[in-house]
Amino acid sequence: GESVGLHLPTLSVQEGDNSIINCAYSNSASDYFIWYKQESGKGPQFIIDIRSNMDKRQGQRVTVLLNKTVKHLSLQIAATQPGDSAVYFCAETWYSSASKIIFGSGTRLSIRP
Amino acid sequence: SQTIHQWPATLVQPVGSPLSLECTVEGTSNPNLYWYRQAAGRGLQLLFYSVGIGQISSEVPQNLSASRPQDRQFILSSKKLLLSDSGFYLCAWSVLGRGNYGYTFGSGTRLTVV
Repeated sequence: GESVGLHLPTLSVQEGDNSIINCAYSNSASDYFIWYKQESGKGPQFIIDIRSNMDKRQGQRVTVLLNKTVKHLSLQIAATQPGDSAVYFCAETWYSSASKIIFGSGTRLSIRP
Repeated sequence: SQTIHQWPATLVQPVGSPLSLECTVEGTSNPNLYWYRQAAGRGLQLLFYSVGIGQISSEVPQNLSASRPQDRQFILSSKKLLLSDSGFYLCAWSVLGRGNYGYTFGSGTRLTVV
């Protein structure tokens, strides 16, 4: 669910290593999940999505895993690069006319050279 | 192609002054439109959404209001700003039926109330 009042946790990763960012979602009725990347001073950008009838989806250097049993979502970034430094948000939604997206707590990813 | 415009990019306003932030979308029709606010170092909070002209739903009771006078225009307003209204305001749009419920966000307006 929304965690707008919390300070963002930080994940520090060595350049070239894999990053794993975790997220817990709140609504068991959610049927679509999205990861966004937000760079400083910019709006969030879509990275990858997954529907509730899937448990894994791969993109270019990114993989999203969905565990509906424990309502957990993760984003894996392979071979992390300096350009991956950003805040990452998971988001959940369900089909309705409003199509509202609820953002989870973000994670700040920093890359060590 | 679809684009979304927000302005201004930054704004400094005194407490008690009015506010008007505008968002427009191009290249699509009948989009769902959304206003989010993000406090410094925090997550995104949904403020308002609209599924059509003149249709506004408020998620959080507050000092702000929204209006949608045209299909592709969404306006965030306040009659008297509070210090707590400071933040990064983001407009977004989505179109149902495209197989992707994800939003496209604007570049945001950073509001500082002094």
